[in-house]
Amino acid sequence: NAGVMQNPRHLVRRRGQEARLRCSPMKGHSHVYWYRQLPEEGLKFMVYLQKENIIDESGMPKERFSAEFPKEGPSILRIQQVVRGDSAAYFCASSSLLLTGEEVDNYGYTFGSGTRLTVV
Amino acid sequence: KNQVEQSPQSLIILEGKNCTLQCNYTVSPFSNLRWYKQDTGRGPVSLTIMTFSENTKSNGRYTATLDADTKQSSLHITASQLSDSASYICVVSAGGSYIPTFGRGTSLIVHP
Repeated sequence: NAGVMQNPRHLVRRRGQEARLRCSPMKGHSHVYWYRQLPEEGLKFMVYLQKENIIDESGMPKERFSAEFPKEGPSILRIQQVVRGDSAAYFCASSSLLLTGEEVDNYGYTFGSGTRLTVV
Repeated sequence: KNQVEQSPQSLIILEGKNCTLQCNYTVSPFSNLRWYKQDTGRGPVSLTIMTFSENTKSNGRYTATLDADTKQSSLHITASQLSDSASYICVVSAGGSYIPTFGRGTSLIVHP
């Protein structure tokens, strides 16, 4: 029963290159959330996706960042033309149902181990 | 604005000692509060989750308390072990919202 799988674990990119981060949710989970964590900072929400739909991208920068969760395959967070400030740990979480505040998820909202992006 | 404040920012204790971490929140309307443990280089792992009606919950040596009136929670770690060294994150969810509010975490270091 694999958990949330993220790859790669570490990614080094030169300024101006593209970074692609992948997240495979837990089996049976159809909701994916991406977070960014800067050094010494807390986790910041970026985007929430269901299969083939972006539900909320209010935390994602308007330029260079995009996310998708296709019908088949993992969710992808894509950063174009990376800059040094994009260096961070990017975490993905998944859940099995639409989690509003009223729903106490004893089963879902599980985090992956993250992808550490370093831009040189 | 929904906010979660944690204290202390960092804490160093000796192995075997107890410690208590604090979390104050202004999330409204309150729905549930979670404590996560995040080891260095890993993703957060859930320790406890409490709803409005619960004021204490234990998970092994970890005991979380919740005072919904004062909007405060604490995480008590008993008989600390070296493996408890990690960041402990308080996360509060509001009713009707699927985006929880994260605290910045307390960094705990347990020394032998």
